[in-house]
Amino acid sequence: GAGVSQSPRYKVTKRGQDVALRCDPISGHVSLYWYRQALGQGPEFLTYFNYEAQQDKSGLPNDRFSAERPEGSISTLTIQRTEQRDSAMYRCASSPRTGNTEAFFGQGTRLTVV
Amino acid sequence: DQQVKQNSPSLSVQEGRISILNCDYTNSMFDYFLWYKKYPAEGPTFLISISSIKDKNEDGRFTVFLNKSAKHLSLHIVPSQPGDSAVYFCAASVRQGGSEKLVFGKGTKLTVNP
Repeated sequence: GAGVSQSPRYKVTKRGQDVALRCDPISGHVSLYWYRQALGQGPEFLTYFNYEAQQDKSGLPNDRFSAERPEGSISTLTIQRTEQRDSAMYRCASSPRTGNTEAFFGQGTRLTVV
Repeated sequence: DQQVKQNSPSLSVQEGRISILNCDYTNSMFDYFLWYKKYPAEGPTFLISISSIKDKNEDGRFTVFLNKSAKHLSLHIVPSQPGDSAVYFCAASVRQGGSEKLVFGKGTKLTVNP
């Protein structure tokens, strides 16, 4: 596609439910990132993939959070047993190559846990 | 521990004048810096970057200055245009270490008045 696509755009879920957020990066982009952004804050790093390999997951806040990119393209961020504090904008970004080149961000998924 | 700080939450300038957005960082290992611009309801878009081996990078109306000894960088926009009104995020990374993680500041909301 023309840009990074994230779905759903908005997700409201009840506390304790699992959610899966999808990211469709720009075609051919090697690097894929997940960030979380709280209101009034900058994006906060969660995890990074180089092709299908998850090379850095140091930003995942706890073991309820996981991500995968099995074929080196689409990625899914899964949050199990959601809690209210998980409510935030979840942003995916992709980059054509490694090395901190400019990353292209999607519009994000606004997650609200009630 | 805010490693990248944007101490001004907002800035207002007149069209045609210079906009100066400031960013300070604490991690001396950072060797690559980026500025992103964000419009409402959109993801951040890459604007300009600078490597720590340089002290200035210019792209059209946008110039980024880096003062490593002061751990300070700034983004200059001249002349400012109403379309520049957006939230600007400063970001930094440790490129040499092979890390793909970007650390973002909280952002500065720029308003350019016609």
